[in-house]
Amino acid sequence: NAGVTQTPKFQVLKTGQSMTLQCAQDMNHEYMSWYRQDPGMGLRLIHYSVGAGITDQGEVPNGYNVSRSTTEDFPLRLLSAAPSQTSVYFCASRETGGSYEQYFGPGTRLTVT
Amino acid sequence: ELKVEQNPLFLSMQEGKNYTIYCNYSTTSDRLYWYRQDPGKSLESLFVLLSNGAVKQEGRLMASLDTKARLSTLHITAAVHDLSATYFCAVEVAGKSTFGDGTTLTVKP
Repeated sequence: NAGVTQTPKFQVLKTGQSMTLQCAQDMNHEYMSWYRQDPGMGLRLIHYSVGAGITDQGEVPNGYNVSRSTTEDFPLRLLSAAPSQTSVYFCASRETGGSYEQYFGPGTRLTVT
Repeated sequence: ELKVEQNPLFLSMQEGKNYTIYCNYSTTSDRLYWYRQDPGKSLESLFVLLSNGAVKQEGRLMASLDTKARLSTLHITAAVHDLSATYFCAVEVAGKSTFGDGTTLTVKP
């Protein structure tokens, strides 16, 4: 099992550009989520999904879109990048029952200039 | 709005000593998580606490949950240098997780 994978690892964008952060998991988890982590802070939930075709907003959804067309993939789209979106982005997945243990991807470090 | 408060935010310990990190939260929760994060790395799941009175232990770490007091603790026994990291608690309500700001633990010889 590869677990949760994220691409790219690093990205630099100019203000106004758009891009998609990729996230995939091979554990057949229904629940997937995206977080951002700013320096010296905990993670903040951007969007989450409880299954294919179902997404919902988290604490800080503005400026981001998600879709969930398959169980495995949960991409995060930045519509028009702003310097305030400079952060480290983590994708995570877990079962919707059982142990509820959450698995995190390695993260994407995004800089917007 | 759910608030999650951890204390202390910074903790410097001597090897061999015991200490406790506290996680207070403001509303009824579905479950509570503890994570470890090493500098520049991702998060590693330590414990998931599902119900009142839950206690879990792994090595020198033990986590407990008191849902009536809305309090979880992470107890460190006989600290060793390898435990130096940042520890986060997170509370999940209706599918949404809220994280504390983390406790940065430094274990000194």
